[in-house]
Amino acid sequence: EAQVTQNPRYLITVTGKKLTVTCSQNMNHEYMSWYRQDPGLGLRQIYYSMNVEVTDKGDVPEGYKVSRKEKRNFPLILESPSPNQTSLYFCASSLVGFNSPLHFGNGTRLTVT
Amino acid sequence: GDSVTQMEGPVTLSEEAFLTINCTYTATGYPSLFWYVQYPGEGLQLLLKATKADDKGSNKGFEATYRKETTSFHLEKGSVQVSDSAVYFCALSRNTGGFKTIFGAGTRLFVKA
Repeated sequence: EAQVTQNPRYLITVTGKKLTVTCSQNMNHEYMSWYRQDPGLGLRQIYYSMNVEVTDKGDVPEGYKVSRKEKRNFPLILESPSPNQTSLYFCASSLVGFNSPLHFGNGTRLTVT
Repeated sequence: GDSVTQMEGPVTLSEEAFLTINCTYTATGYPSLFWYVQYPGEGLQLLLKATKADDKGSNKGFEATYRKETTSFHLEKGSVQVSDSAVYFCALSRNTGGFKTIFGAGTRLFVKA
């Protein structure tokens, strides 16, 4: 089954404790992206990657890191989480091209206390 | 810059009522337009799309027409069901050197039996 898999689904952590949210896709998509979803703001892009070893900032990259060492994986790293990063996070992938729809994971709900 | 504006929700309808969710956009050039749906506890999934002016996207009884003259992509369904209760996101994507998807804030729909 074609899918984007994120882990974990829920995460509660404390300020400053480094964490990684994993994302993996099995559709051989070149493009992968991370979004955060906050009430009233829709989805905002954090980082994206057009292919292996190619990453770029989205609209809200501060406080986040990513890497793309393999085509299928695109982890999101919070080196020193803060409470304002409490949010619902989605990983998505697609073929390259603006006509291609995004395929989303089921989300990771992160709470930073 | 590019933007997407959706009608604010929540929208509450009775089963079999007619649904319209308004969406307008601002973008240079010729973006592709999408509607995504998010069911509780899940990621977004593509509902329909249109890639050029006057195209009509349709799926599961939902329709939307790409209107370049009014920069709109309103979502409609003739007879909603309880199972249509979800959050609906309008989005655009265009070639910006790379490509990027911009989302509206989302409209929550409740359908009562």
